Amino acid sequence: KQEVTQIPAALSVPEGENLVLNCSFTDSAIYNLQWFRQDPGKGLTSLLLIQSSQREQTSGRLNASLDKSSGRSTLYIAASQPGDSATYLCAVEDQGAQKLVFGQGTRLTINP
Amino acid sequence: NAGVMQNPRHLVRRRGQEARLRCSPMKGHSHVYWYRQLPEEGLKFMVYLQKENIIDESGMPKERFSAEFPKEGPSILRIQQVVRGDSAAYFCASSQDLNYGYTFGSGTRLTVV
Repeated sequence: KQEVTQIPAALSVPEGENLVLNCSFTDSAIYNLQWFRQDPGKGLTSLLLIQSSQREQTSGRLNASLDKSSGRSTLYIAASQPGDSATYLCAVEDQGAQKLVFGQGTRLTINP
Repeated sequence: NAGVMQNPRHLVRRRGQEARLRCSPMKGHSHVYWYRQLPEEGLKFMVYLQKENIIDESGMPKERFSAEFPKEGPSILRIQQVVRGDSAAYFCASSQDLNYGYTFGSGTRLTVV
């Protein structure tokens, strides 16, 4: 059974810092991995999708990497801003499953 | 493209009543998924549907919960005889196919009083 873990559960940093959020998964037979952002009381916004054959994806200040063999993904946020404050969720889709398994999320606070 | 539309945004029901949550997928998406986020817990898969078919309902509680995606109209998640433990945020997602990931709606927050 796939399990997804995100560390740390919460992170608070001053504005301008570069930071890394971690995601690990127990079964490496995944189809893809997706990072989402969730603002309080709101829905999920897709940030980056990495197919299992890819090593990384970039969008603006965000870069996500995938090491399928070790069951790890990282989300790198460059030059953080207060508007980046949100909960970041990592989710994997197992091969043949067509559903996502989510981590518990990392609650990120960027202090002005 | 309006994205995945869910309504209502907030729903309050008394114990024993029925709750109906609606989801319209993105235009061109034929796959619909429902997830539940209980307070202080992560999102959990409930059910995956295509038009007129339930493909995977392995995450649905065996009683009181049902889902449909008719040929015409939105997908409906129905909860009969709600209990306080059903209070949660229910999210709908849609996809075009496996290569494009999932797009989520804003969710319906159900409160059972």
